[in-house]
Amino acid sequence: GQNIDQPTEMTATEGAIVQINCTYQTSGFNGLFWYQQHAGEAPTFLSYNVLDGLEEKGRFSSFLSRSKGYSYLLLKELQMKDSASYLCAVIHNTNAGKSTFGDGTTLTVKP
Amino acid sequence: DVKVTQSSRYLVKRTGEKVFLECVQDMDHENMFWYRQDPGLGLRLIYFSYDVKMKEKGDIPEGYSVSREKKERFSLILESASTNQTSMYLCASSPGTGGGEQYFGPGTRLTVT
Repeated sequence: GQNIDQPTEMTATEGAIVQINCTYQTSGFNGLFWYQQHAGEAPTFLSYNVLDGLEEKGRFSSFLSRSKGYSYLLLKELQMKDSASYLCAVIHNTNAGKSTFGDGTTLTVKP
Repeated sequence: DVKVTQSSRYLVKRTGEKVFLECVQDMDHENMFWYRQDPGLGLRLIYFSYDVKMKEKGDIPEGYSVSREKKERFSLILESASTNQTSMYLCASSPGTGGGEQYFGPGTRLTVT
């Protein structure tokens, strides 16, 4: 079976740094995605990791450890507009890139 | 820019009706997906397709069917709508045989009364 765990909710302060963790147990692994979803909108792509290590993209970074089944999304210099749900998704089937999504972490950024 | 469009943003149907949700992508992507999203349950895969006329069941296919007659269009069909199918339905597409990032449509909020 496929299992992806993320915290349900997190709160952080504007300007701070926050780390959102994701652990996974899947039958097969071919990459991990992070998506951002604002309330009432569709998810949009943030980052992709297939090899161990850190991928940096501006204020956002994502880390992967395949041996530990673990990833995190790091958001720096938080802004109010970063308040959203963050979804971790694992591609575990190369046939069409079928992915399993975590339930998402709702991040609230406070002034 | 990749664009994925869905036929309706909001839809209200009666129990027992046959419902069609249409999805069109304009980037020649091989893969297309239908998900439903419910509070506390996350995104759950209903069906996906990796080529024209090819389809595979996702995690929750019961009560649904799909059709992909053209590469750009992927339709989700609720044969006989029920109240437990009230949900947000999201279509997505991605390129390549190994999959890549998924591009999502704006979603259809379906209410079955």
